[in-house]
Amino acid sequence: DIQMTQSPASLSASLEEIVTITCQASQNIGNWLAWYQQKPGKSPQLLIYGTTSLADGVPSRFSGSRSGTQYSLKISRLQVEDIGIYYCQQASSTPFTFGSGTKLEIK
Amino acid sequence: EVQLVESGGGLVQPGRSLKLSCVASGFTFSNYGMNWIRQAPGKGLEWVAYISSGSSYIYYAETVKGRFTISRDNAKNTLYLQMTSLRSEDTALYYCARLRLADYWGQGVMVTVSS
Repeated sequence: DIQMTQSPASLSASLEEIVTITCQASQNIGNWLAWYQQKPGKSPQLLIYGTTSLADGVPSRFSGSRSGTQYSLKISRLQVEDIGIYYCQQASSTPFTFGSGTKLEIK
Repeated sequence: EVQLVESGGGLVQPGRSLKLSCVASGFTFSNYGMNWIRQAPGKGLEWVAYISSGSSYIYYAETVKGRFTISRDNAKNTLYLQMTSLRSEDTALYYCARLRLADYWGQGVMVTVSS
């Protein structure tokens, strides 16, 4: 199985700050990588798919990138509505594994 | 508007069965692969099963293989998850979601396995 090692587990940042969350895949997954945001009591929402493509309606301050098997989600200017838990997921091969999540809070 | 609405959850005793449904609307259901993904209380997301658009390809997590069956009825725009031999560790909120990289999710349905 492909392991997705997500870091950090939690993150506290100031408004307008740049935030970066990373996922390390245990083997090559190509661009079969997505990022989701989950707010308390809500279903997860797709932010980024195919490593770098922004989902419909997602603000442009969110972006995704890749370096080898390390994938990153960047929030360029943190806003209060960005608080929540962020997950990466690989869909290159089954089981379609998720990262363990990053809880993002405002400092 | 794409909508996915799950139903069929509830409280069930260990060892018993339950069948979840997910009714899709707002898109051509028969063109899309679908997933079941679950989230235990206070925990992260766990992929459970995937079925391709025409049911040719079906995959399961090892934790549910042999106990759960994913299926779909494209004429009824409905995805199913038949769960048997339920265990306490199957207690979770179960989501249906569209595509391998899930672009739309339902609101989830709670399954509680307890005596």
